[in-house]
Order: sequence, then C-alpha cells, then structure tokens
Amino acid sequence: SQTIHQWPATLVQPVGSPLSLECTVEGTSNPNLYWYRQAAGRGLQLLFYSVGIGQISSEVPQNLSASRPQDRQFILSSKKLLLSDSGFYLCACTNTGRIGYTFGSGTRLTVV
Amino acid sequence: SQQGEEDPQALSIQEGENATMNCSYKTSINNLQWYRQNSGRGLVHLILIRSNEREKHSGRLRVTLDTSKKSSSLLITASRAADTASYFCAKGGTSYGKLTFGQGTILTVHP
Repeated sequence: SQTIHQWPATLVQPVGSPLSLECTVEGTSNPNLYWYRQAAGRGLQLLFYSVGIGQISSEVPQNLSASRPQDRQFILSSKKLLLSDSGFYLCACTNTGRIGYTFGSGTRLTVV
Repeated sequence: SQQGEEDPQALSIQEGENATMNCSYKTSINNLQWYRQNSGRGLVHLILIRSNEREKHSGRLRVTLDTSKKSSSLLITASRAADTASYFCAKGGTSYGKLTFGQGTILTVHP
C-alpha cells in the first residue's frame, strides 16, 4: 500500500524567511501528487498538483511554489514567508485505479 | 467558491446514536468522497460513491448520493467515542484526480 512521509511535523518561521517542505511517497510509482493548505477549523485549499516529474500546476496565485524533482518527491517552497502563509500543509497522492487520496500527516507552519 | 459544503458545521451526540452529515455541491461530479480527520492529523479516506451510484455501505458507514439535488449524506450508525473527528466531503471531477473539499463537519461523540 502507498504511504506518504511528510516533514517536519511542526515549523515556526519568521516573516521573510525561506520555506521548504518535503513529501515523499512509497509503495507506488508515477502518482499524482497534491499540496493542500488547511486554515484552522476550515476545509482544504488545493495549492499545487503534479501529474509527473517537473510538471507542476498552480491552483491559486500566491507566495509559494512547488517542484517535483523525482517521481515520488514533491517539495513546497517559498523564498519569503508571509504571516498569511501560516496553516496546516498536507501532501496527498493518488494513482490510476486507486480509490481516494492517501494523505501525509501534515506540517503545522506558524509564521511569526 | 468551495464545492462540497457540509451541514451541520458541528454535531454532538451520545455514544450509540447515529450521526448524519450532509454535503451539497454546485457543479457536476465524477464521484464524491468522504474523509475523516482526527485533530492535527492527515485525512483518511472513508468511502467513494460514483455519480451513477445512489448508495454505498462500508461497515457502519452508509453514503447516499442524489445527483438531482446535488447532495450526499454520510450516516455513521451506532457511533463510538473513537468516531470523534472532522468529516469532509470532497467532490471529484475528471481533471487529474483533483478533489475539492468542503468545510467539514466536526463530530463529537460523548461516551
């Protein structure tokens, strides 16, 4: 079965600092990968998705970027964090023929 | 705007009671999925119902879909304290497997 490793679990960063969150997938190949952000007590907002190495689609204009340097690695980055970037970031994957998403355990980012 | 709006926003019941959560959406779907999220954790997939299906069961879970009303419901029977979590419906389209999540229902089951 596929599993997602996501780290770090929590992160406190000052405004203006860079960000790099990493997500790796095991147990599958050529997955579709997704980054979601969840504000406190609210639903999930899709930020980026990728259907293959180097293929990134952005859903909302923002201060963040994503990259997929390897088939099972998905990275979320920022050059300069804003207070509004605080939230719970979740990586997810799915694959052809598979029902539903598999989610990582998430990263709680607080920008101070 | 968000697809998959849940109702109620919060639900508090006693152990053993049934819990019903509703989800509405605005545009056509390929499938509708339900997920559970324990506090501070990732989401766990519960069940998927396709647009040509009307009802599905999985253990104590029952999901219905009414495409004419653009709505779905999740029923958890004989609830347990361990069912306490947030529940989200997610609309699946045909574009790259993307899901659009609603705001969720916070379910609290009191022992």
